[in-house]
Amino acid sequence: NAGVMQNPRHLVRRRGQEARLRCSPMKGHSHVYWYRQLPEEGLKFMVYLQKENIIDESGMPKERFSAEFPKEGPSILRIQQVVRGDSAAYFCASSPGEGKDGGNIQYFGAGTRLSVL
Amino acid sequence: QKEVEQDPGPLSVPEGAIVSLNCTYSNSAFQYFMWYRQYSRKGPELLMYTYSSGNKEDGRFTAQVDKSSKYISLFIRDSQPSDSATYLCAMVAFGGYQKVTFGIGTKLQVIP
Repeated sequence: NAGVMQNPRHLVRRRGQEARLRCSPMKGHSHVYWYRQLPEEGLKFMVYLQKENIIDESGMPKERFSAEFPKEGPSILRIQQVVRGDSAAYFCASSPGEGKDGGNIQYFGAGTRLSVL
Repeated sequence: QKEVEQDPGPLSVPEGAIVSLNCTYSNSAFQYFMWYRQYSRKGPELLMYTYSSGNKEDGRFTAQVDKSSKYISLFIRDSQPSDSATYLCAMVAFGGYQKVTFGIGTKLQVIP
């Protein structure tokens, strides 16, 4: 997990509030991925981003969820008007994106555990 | 049917035992196969990485891929209590850019 920084580690929100999760990739990595982990469902892909571009958001719920990876600063996963079902661990991963295997080896952060009251 | 099937366990073994963890998959396009270890309330940690079929060894860990059977395995020799964790298999399709599909994870407990 060294290098991929996620914050906060724990986030508590009341229903209807907004949650903002941050991810700084490993140094030299330009590709960021977000996953959600629910207790009985395993890790599920949400979105894949490169700097200033969303490459694949096929795993993102159509409403209330958005992600960005600006030119400067961390990647942000935003959940608007949170509901109890959004409670989960959210993991960010990064990869260098270059080289034969560069895109396929993803390194994970420690995660943000979101609790919606 | 899920693309990747993995027995969630839990699997309990005595210290020193050989552990065998397995996944099956249905998507023949998968070419890259990984094993991650996840300790409780931590992020997944990459253990092993294999491209296409074959074996790969790293210390006490051996990863095997049998594409003809769509079956991958992770063996842990001389298991230690510190190996107690959840082990996730993960796969990527060639040309699937970087969308990783994970198994649900097998929870392993090594008893001293």
